[in-house]
Amino acid sequence: DAGVIQSPRHEVTEMGQEVTLRCKPISGHNSLFWYRQTMMRGLELLIYFNNNVPIDDSGMPEDRFSAKMPNASFSTLKIQPSEPRDSAVYFCASSSSQETQYFGPGTRLLVL
Amino acid sequence: AQSVTQLDSHVSVSEGTPVLLRCNYSSSYSPSLFWYVQHPNKGLQLLLKYTSAATLVKGINGFEAEFKKSETSFHLTKPSAHMSDAAEYFCVVTGGGYQKVTFGTGTKLQVIP
Repeated sequence: DAGVIQSPRHEVTEMGQEVTLRCKPISGHNSLFWYRQTMMRGLELLIYFNNNVPIDDSGMPEDRFSAKMPNASFSTLKIQPSEPRDSAVYFCASSSSQETQYFGPGTRLLVL
Repeated sequence: AQSVTQLDSHVSVSEGTPVLLRCNYSSSYSPSLFWYVQHPNKGLQLLLKYTSAATLVKGINGFEAEFKKSETSFHLTKPSAHMSDAAEYFCVVTGGGYQKVTFGTGTKLQVIP
């Protein structure tokens, strides 16, 4: 298995632009998680899906952030408009029920 | 409700000496507990997990952790530190409906040659 796939691996954009991060979970996994990691705040859970349904989005910072999971093999995290404080590494992880989370390599986002 | 407390934000050991990274948890459920490791500029990798089987769990790279329900602890240990162990370690608890996930704040391990 290829593991969790995230794209792009690096993204540099200007403030105000829309950013879309993509994630392909491991086939057969029914839970998907989006995390953000910064030096200041550490690792934060933004949102997680179970069977493509958002279960807990209490970690989503504000309305500028949105996440979708249109099917079991794809999810997006969108930031619109982006701000410099959104600069971070964004991780996607997937798991099957009650099991280990497998993390993707992350997307390093820099908003200028 | 559940929470995880990693008692040390930084731990420094000499190469070849034992490692102890401390983690305490609270949970209203029968939790599953995990330790993940993150090397610099890398993603998170599972070290080991406890899911209500044996209380002493062995993981990769010589690490192990003991689940102590009476102390609500799940400390990570290794008998002899190696330079390649320098990384950040996260303790994680999951439980309850939809397997709510809670990460600790992480412990940075420094290994001194």
